Amino acid sequence: EADIYQTPRYLVIGTGKKITLECSQTMGHDKMYWYQQDPGMELHLIHYSYGVNSTEKGDLSSESTVSRIRTEHFPLTLESARPSHTSQYLCASSSIIGGEKLFFGSGTQLSVL
Amino acid sequence: KQEVTQIPAALSVPEGENLVLNCSFTDSAIYNLQWFRQDPGKGLTSLLLIQSSQREQTSGRLNASLDKSSGRSTLYIAASQPGDSATYLCAVKGEVTGGGNKLTFGTGTQLKVEL
Repeated sequence: EADIYQTPRYLVIGTGKKITLECSQTMGHDKMYWYQQDPGMELHLIHYSYGVNSTEKGDLSSESTVSRIRTEHFPLTLESARPSHTSQYLCASSSIIGGEKLFFGSGTQLSVL
Repeated sequence: KQEVTQIPAALSVPEGENLVLNCSFTDSAIYNLQWFRQDPGKGLTSLLLIQSSQREQTSGRLNASLDKSSGRSTLYIAASQPGDSATYLCAVKGEVTGGGNKLTFGTGTQLKVEL
């Protein structure tokens, strides 16, 4: 049912590297989100978008940035990764047509050494 | 500010038992409420979505109810199976006007169904 894809599934990278986490959905949803989740902890919204060229910061401050150039694509970028960025990053999407039902990708587990 | 609480935080039951997970929220002005399950290290899988105008939703062995006035929702799982073992999260979407399509997540109930 849910067609939202995240890559990579796992990423281990050194401090200072630039990384981009990919998220794509094929459902035509206008709204997309990025959540951050540490093990055993609650989800925190870090970015969201209501449509092309629309991006907003979420409740949790994050050094990452996002872009929404195409409806289906919502990548997240860290210019200089640090160990404090180690976490799971979850992408999601929804649409008013679907009653705002939220669909999640499988997540990217990021480890910064 | 919306606050969502889930009780219990953890639950262990024998296979075959019927069980109820609870979710409470402080602001009754909600748009919808959604139940998810999350397996370790994985994303969230949507189980049931209840719009603010609805009282309950059913899918297979799962039934979710919503009482807006009291700020409560329950997820009923019938005839539990070991494959039901996961963390169950409820999330509440507020009646949003303008910017901020924000969901508030509960802290989850970790369920273990034992053979």
